[in-house]
Amino acid sequence: GAVVSQHPSWVICKSGTSVKIECRSLDFQATTMFWYRQFPKQSLMLMATSNEGSKATYEQGVEKDKFLINHASLTLSTLTVTSAHPEDSSFYICSPLGGSSYEQYFGPGTRLTVT
Amino acid sequence: GQQVMQIPQYQHVQEGEDFTTYCNSSTTLSNIQWYKQRPGGHPVFLIQLVKSGEVKKQKRLTFQFGEAKKNSSLHITATQTTDVGTYFCAGRGGGADGLTFGKGTHLIIQP
Repeated sequence: GAVVSQHPSWVICKSGTSVKIECRSLDFQATTMFWYRQFPKQSLMLMATSNEGSKATYEQGVEKDKFLINHASLTLSTLTVTSAHPEDSSFYICSPLGGSSYEQYFGPGTRLTVT
Repeated sequence: GQQVMQIPQYQHVQEGEDFTTYCNSSTTLSNIQWYKQRPGGHPVFLIQLVKSGEVKKQKRLTFQFGEAKKNSSLHITATQTTDVGTYFCAGRGGGADGLTFGKGTHLIIQP
């Protein structure tokens, strides 16, 4: 399967600070990037969809000014959680889509803890 | 919007017993995918079903897609301790839509 990396794998930050999460598709070009969030013992919830070079489309209830997504290249997308609050603590997972959409690949995830 | 419901939420079985999880979508799906997630890990793709009434098998796992392309099931025969994890179904409405995940079924196996 495709190789997707995410960095950092885990991060602890203080309330009010910003955190940037990087997602790289290492062996294919991701024309579309999905960002998901997963709270403990819950399912994955789609946050936003971004196409390379375009503005991201956010799901209902997800603040676009709080979760900044940049998809500047076909192999890199970033999610920045701005002014983080404890309720933003979650597992953030990127999922690139490229070429055949037969299967969707997932990054290893970033566990964010806001104190 | 599209909703995908999955039951049961938790399933305890004795090792060797069978296990089934069911998914139902509020809308017709272009395809449905199944994932397995181990604790602390990320979802791992198992299979995709595209055709109405499709049935696919992977060793002890059997996947079905309903005739109306709105429901699906995953059945595991003779569970083993390695089957422990959360099984998610995820449906796609069409095109390059993001996947809508079911809430998952947590499979707990007692030896």
